[in-house]
Amino acid sequence: GENVEQHPSTLSVQEGDSAVIKCTYSDSASNYFPWYKQELGKRPQLIIDIRSNVGEKKDQRIAVTLNKTAKHFSLHITETQPEDSAVYFCAAIFKGSARQLTFGSGTQLTVLP
Amino acid sequence: KAGVTQTPRYLIKTRGQQVTLSCSPISGHRSVSWYQQTPGQGLQFLFEYFSETQRNKGNFPGRFSGRQFSNSRSEMNVSTLELGDSALYLCASSLHGDSNQPQHFGDGTRLSIL
Repeated sequence: GENVEQHPSTLSVQEGDSAVIKCTYSDSASNYFPWYKQELGKRPQLIIDIRSNVGEKKDQRIAVTLNKTAKHFSLHITETQPEDSAVYFCAAIFKGSARQLTFGSGTQLTVLP
Repeated sequence: KAGVTQTPRYLIKTRGQQVTLSCSPISGHRSVSWYQQTPGQGLQFLFEYFSETQRNKGNFPGRFSGRQFSNSRSEMNVSTLELGDSALYLCASSLHGDSNQPQHFGDGTRLSIL
């Protein structure tokens, strides 16, 4: 079936270092890949997204890369700060599923001061 | 512009009861989707509404239902509640029906079944 696999499940980095989270997806016809950040007790917040006609997108310290051939996309956070600590979810919309987001299992990112 | 508003924020019910949750999308947004979030299953899609029509439904039993009104507000209903229905129920809205439009989430309704 259609699924999104996310790795790693937990990630600890020192403040100022970079963090990378990777997701793979099963349907090559997927065309939309958002990333959400969820702090404890709060809503999932859209932080960046990428569409299938683009290979990379940046927004300040955050970037997402998409490799359609390999069917994977990654979130890159540079110069990490303690406030980046949260659970990050990748997601994909598969062809024919209207607007259904299929989520990865999440990555708990901890930035150590 | 106000974000997605969900009411109530917290709800406690007992097994066998039924519950209705409400979601008001961002002004001008016409698509509303519902998701269930649990520690064990993560974020799972329930259903999506656009222009008062259900366009897609996830793999949940018929006890889970929903609807959308002409002002784009949406409700979901769960009947004959079970302990396993305890979860955070999130709704997300987007501007229109294209699949590549950003979806923005509300704060959710935390449902606890005793």
